Amino acid sequence: RKEVEQDPGPFNVPEGATVAFNCTYSNSASQSFFWYRQDCRKEPKLLMSVYSSGNEDGRFTAQLNRASQYISLLIRDSKLSDSATYLCVVNSNDYKLSFGAGTTVTVRA
Amino acid sequence: DAGITQSPRHKVTETGTPVTLRCHQTENHRYMYWYRQDPGHGLRLIHYSYGVKDTDKGEVSDGYSVSRSKTEDFLLTLESATSSQTSVYFCATRGPTEAFFGQGTRLTVV
Repeated sequence: RKEVEQDPGPFNVPEGATVAFNCTYSNSASQSFFWYRQDCRKEPKLLMSVYSSGNEDGRFTAQLNRASQYISLLIRDSKLSDSATYLCVVNSNDYKLSFGAGTTVTVRA
Repeated sequence: DAGITQSPRHKVTETGTPVTLRCHQTENHRYMYWYRQDPGHGLRLIHYSYGVKDTDKGEVSDGYSVSRSKTEDFLLTLESATSSQTSVYFCATRGPTEAFFGQGTRLTVV
């Protein structure tokens, strides 16, 4: 079983729509959680950390459910520039970061 | 952006030849990582380092070795390149709150 699993999508949504997707993790001792964004053929970059109480950053909302071992990302009022692959990242100990395979989002005009 | 540079950015090599990829950081981060990214697999950890001369294997370490003689440099060596090692390789460092990535090296083994 993979440590981190994501729905690969693609999620194809019109501008202005809301899109949400989840990521599940297998290690119940995981400590930290992140969403990274990766544009085509570029390096991943941090979108936001995910906190236990949930958190927002502008149009982006992240939630953590420790009991069910998943995190979620919701994008409101989608923009064309939101088209990317979103990587779920879980830190299971001091050094190791485990990545999901990514969820592809395409926002169309 | 964090100061992480990878070299070369692109390389084509022949099967059976050794290849070394270099990662250089200017952030003085303790932890450094080498990942490979392939379609459908996401980023998979090859090797990581938690200090000078301190390295350990990740989940896909077979056929790869690493060295870290200075804090700022982390080298990845493919001892005898195979076509299955055709991939995009990313170096990363771990800061206090997030991981930072280099721009990647696209390696093709023919």
